[in-house]
This record gives sequence, C-alpha cells and structure tokens, in this order.
Amino acid sequence: GAVVSQHPSRVICKSGTSVKIECRSLDFQATTMFWYRQFPKQSLMLMATSNEGSKATYEQGVEKDKFLINHASLTLSTLTVTSAHPEDSSFYICSAREGQDTGDTQYFGPGTRLTVL
Amino acid sequence: AQTVTQSQPEMSVQEAETVTLSCTYDTSESNYYLFWYKQPPSRQMILVIRQEAYKQQNATENRFSVNFQKAAKSFSLKISDSQLGDTAMYFCAFMKPSNTGKLIFGQGTTLQVKP
Repeated sequence: GAVVSQHPSRVICKSGTSVKIECRSLDFQATTMFWYRQFPKQSLMLMATSNEGSKATYEQGVEKDKFLINHASLTLSTLTVTSAHPEDSSFYICSAREGQDTGDTQYFGPGTRLTVL
Repeated sequence: AQTVTQSQPEMSVQEAETVTLSCTYDTSESNYYLFWYKQPPSRQMILVIRQEAYKQQNATENRFSVNFQKAAKSFSLKISDSQLGDTAMYFCAFMKPSNTGKLIFGQGTTLQVKP
C-alpha cells in the first residue's frame, strides 16, 4: 500500500522559534497533500490543502502567515510553524492523495507531536 | 455545509464478539464518498473501509463491513470477531469529490476490545 512518512515524529522547541515538519509520499506521487491538527482525544481538523507547485488553500480561521506550507515537489510538502507559542503545541498529521481524482483515497503520515515550551 | 456525527464517544466489546459503530451525516449532495478510518494508540491513521455513494452494495473488508443507508444518511461500521488489535479510535469521514477531495471527520468513537 501507499506509504506516507513524516519527519520529525516529535519535536520540542522554545517559544518564538520556528519548526519545520516534512511530509513525504514514499512510493507514489502526490499532487495534493493535506495538513491536519489534532488535539488529544479529539478529531482531526483540516488546516490546509496543498497542491504541488501552487499556493496552499487554508481553512477558515487558520493563519497562513503562521503556518507556512510549501509543496515544491510531487513527493514532499512542508509545514513550518513560525514563531511558535505554547498554544501551537499539538499533533500535526499530513495526508497525501495517490491519484489525480479527488475521490481517490488519502493516506496518512504517522504524525508529528509538537511541544512548545 | 456537510457535517458528520458519531454519537458514541466510547464503546467496548468482548474479544470475538461483534460491535457496530454509528455514523450519520448531513449533505445535499448525491455523489460522495464515505470512509472509516482507525487510529490506534500509535496515532497512525489507517483506512478501514471506503464506500462510494452511487454504489448500493455495502462495502466489506474481511471482518469489517458497513451498513450504508443513503436515504437515512447513515453509515455504520460493523466489526465481526473483534480482536484486541481493533482497540482504537474510529473516525467516520465524508468527502465531496468536487471539493478538492478534503475529508470531513466525525468526532470519533473510542473502541476498547476486552480480553
């Protein structure tokens, strides 16, 4: 099956610093990737949709200047949390769609736990 | 806007027994996809089963099957012969193909399989 990786799996940083999270599709090309945020024992909240070679589309209420998304290739998307603060601490998950059809299945990465001190 | 509702925050089942997780959704669309994802303690999201709305036949994957009632906007998941490894949080999700393919998730149901 399709495999999506994320790096790092967990990161601890000081308040005010920036953190970059990578999402890679290992055995397929992903024209579209998605970034989610999940709080403990809660559902996944979509942050943005990322298409290769174009600007990401952010969901309402998500600060695009704080959560910078880059999708420079068909196998890599990055999420940078800029000037992180404790309230940004969360579990961040990416997913990648294998095909061109919007109905194609999304495969999820293992997630990144971000802790901001 | 589409919404997905899972009304059972927590459920438990004895090993080898059968359990059904409920999911309802609200949409005015006629063509869409529905999914069940599993999130075990490792937090890796795993696709369990997928249903296309235009298909009347209920999807099945080994011990997992769904009861898709389009008119009632209901999409329940049945797990047969429950195993300890089925312990996880289960999310029901809706996707409208014309909307970039983004998933709308329900609140989740935590399932505990007891030995």
